[in-house]
Amino acid sequence: EVQLVESGGGLVQPGGSLRLSCSASGFTFSSNPMHWVRQAPGKGLEYVSAISNIGGTTYYADSVKGRFTISRDNSKNTLYLQMSSLRAEDTAVYYCVRRVGGYSDWGQGTLVTVSS
Amino acid sequence: DIQMTQSPSSLSASVGDRVTITCRASQGISNSLAWYQQKPGKVPKLLIYAASTLHSGVPSRFSGSGSGTDFTLTISSLQPEDVATYYCQKYNSAPFTFGPGTKVDIK
Repeated sequence: EVQLVESGGGLVQPGGSLRLSCSASGFTFSSNPMHWVRQAPGKGLEYVSAISNIGGTTYYADSVKGRFTISRDNSKNTLYLQMSSLRAEDTAVYYCVRRVGGYSDWGQGTLVTVSS
Repeated sequence: DIQMTQSPSSLSASVGDRVTITCRASQGISNSLAWYQQKPGKVPKLLIYAASTLHSGVPSRFSGSGSGTDFTLTISSLQPEDVATYYCQKYNSAPFTFGPGTKVDIK
């Protein structure tokens, strides 16, 4: 069974930093591209970032480019999202997602709240 | 970047009704389109990928069609458990943009 477990969310002040982690199991992690998707309270889904299976290629939404960094450690089956210069509009539940065709598997999400 | 739109933004239908949701891409994306269902308070779930391929375990009352810029998600006979918000998403290339969503409830 595929499992994706996010951690690292919490309350952070504007301008602060946070690192999210996603621990993966139940599949060959190094074979799959991985993505981060977020959902602000009461809003729709927003693609955030993606990384190729071996980490050589990364992509970012314009809204986070230059502030967020996606990475992965295939030896630890873990996906990361380093977030800096956080803004109130980054407040959201952040989901780790495995992409097989569409987004086939989702974690439960971790809430990031940016507020003073 | 390619923009994704959906219509309607919300709909209310009776149990047993046929429901159709439309998704439009601002440029052609071949068949690189997925549909997701998100029930209130729950994690989104993949329904359909490659525009018309049903994901494993998804009831057969859901179907998808389209190619290029225009796509549809159809629920052949709406059930109470289908109350949810439905999103389309392009995945031919980054950014993997979602549509704004269509909220479906029971009349």
